[in-house]
Amino acid sequence: GEDVEQSLFLSVREGDSSVINCTYTDSSSTYLYWYKQEPGAGLQLLTYIFSNMDMKQDQRLTVLLNKKDKHLSLRIADTQTGDSAIYFCAETLIDGGSQGNLIFGKGTKLSVKP
Amino acid sequence: EPEVTQTPSHQVTQMGQEVILRCVPISNHLYFYWYRQILGQKVEFLVSFYNNEISEKSEIFDDQFSVERPDGSNFTLKIRSTKLEDSAMYFCASRDLGYTFGSGTRLTVV
Repeated sequence: GEDVEQSLFLSVREGDSSVINCTYTDSSSTYLYWYKQEPGAGLQLLTYIFSNMDMKQDQRLTVLLNKKDKHLSLRIADTQTGDSAIYFCAETLIDGGSQGNLIFGKGTKLSVKP
Repeated sequence: EPEVTQTPSHQVTQMGQEVILRCVPISNHLYFYWYRQILGQKVEFLVSFYNNEISEKSEIFDDQFSVERPDGSNFTLKIRSTKLEDSAMYFCASRDLGYTFGSGTRLTVV
């Protein structure tokens, strides 16, 4: 079945770049998402990428998609303490027959040290 | 920016009681979802809703669960007889191109 895998923890120093990796199994995925969850809070959409793209940049965030290897990464430049959170990778298939349910990874807990 | 609103933010209920979790999706979205996250675990799909009916549901969404869109704005999840293992954060989402999630309802069954 479909599955999304992420490493569980990442620790970086403030000002460094963070790279969070994700692999997925469903080659028919059309959209891949990154969500951020702060403690006790909901899921905040950070960015998403359509499967026919290989890169998307949005301010400090860069998403890279390697469709051949089914590998997605999120790079956060100049990581700040406010970036400390759990980051979820999610995939979905949206077409005429699918309602686009999200399949989430377990989340990567990013800790940023001052 | 439009947002999905969920109420209450936290609900404590006794085992066996019925609970209704409420959501107000974004008004021009057509697809609505409920997800749940048991503490420390993955966010899991429960049910999707489109055109006033359930379009897909997971194996978690058994006969104890139901969803309703009672009027043009609210979208509710009802759990008929809560169990301890229903304790989780429940997220509502609505979708246009991308998903927008609410901030969740933390359900604690005691």
